Amino acid sequence: DIQMTQSPSSLSASVGDRVTITCRASQSISNYLNWYQQKPGKAPKLLIYAASSLQSGVPSRFSGSGSGTDFTLTINSLQLEDFATYYCQQSYSTPTTFGQGTNLEIK
Amino acid sequence: QVQLQESGPGLVKPSETLSLTCTVSGSAISDYSWNWIRQSPGKGLEWIGYIFYSGSTDYDPSLKSRVTISVDTSKNQVSLKMRSVTAADTAVYYCAREGRSSGYDWLDPWGQGTLVTVSS
Repeated sequence: DIQMTQSPSSLSASVGDRVTITCRASQSISNYLNWYQQKPGKAPKLLIYAASSLQSGVPSRFSGSGSGTDFTLTINSLQLEDFATYYCQQSYSTPTTFGQGTNLEIK
Repeated sequence: QVQLQESGPGLVKPSETLSLTCTVSGSAISDYSWNWIRQSPGKGLEWIGYIFYSGSTDYDPSLKSRVTISVDTSKNQVSLKMRSVTAADTAVYYCAREGRSSGYDWLDPWGQGTLVTVSS
């Protein structure tokens, strides 16, 4: 199985900040990488697919980049509603696997 | 608007079978794959398996011997059965539709999830 490792595991930031979350795959996955946002008690919500494509309805302050083994999710100008847990997922091979999550907290 | 709703017992005894149903509204079962994913505090998000509307399936190797996913197109439902459960199977179980474009795929939307506790 392909292992997905996110860093950091937790992150404190303020409204208006720019934050970057990193996801590393244990082998090359081209750009078969998705990002999800999850709020407490809710299901994950798709933000980015194919490493850099913004899902319809997702604010443009979210962006993704990367290819191969290293990927980033960037959130520009953090809003209150962005404080949540973020997960990456590789869809390069079965079984699909997820990172362990990054908990974004208010500073 | 596509909506998925998981349902089933919230409590299952050890060694018994966990049975969940995902009812889909706003989308036909046809032409999509439907996934089950679970989330427990100890293991994060774990993919269980998927079924294509035609009936073809794939499962996580670690769960394959205990899991069956099926589809009922007449009811627009996808079902999950997991046999011989233990406390380690306690988790929130989600169903999700697989989106696909240009060779890429992702999970969207998800159901709200249902908590299943394995305990005597």
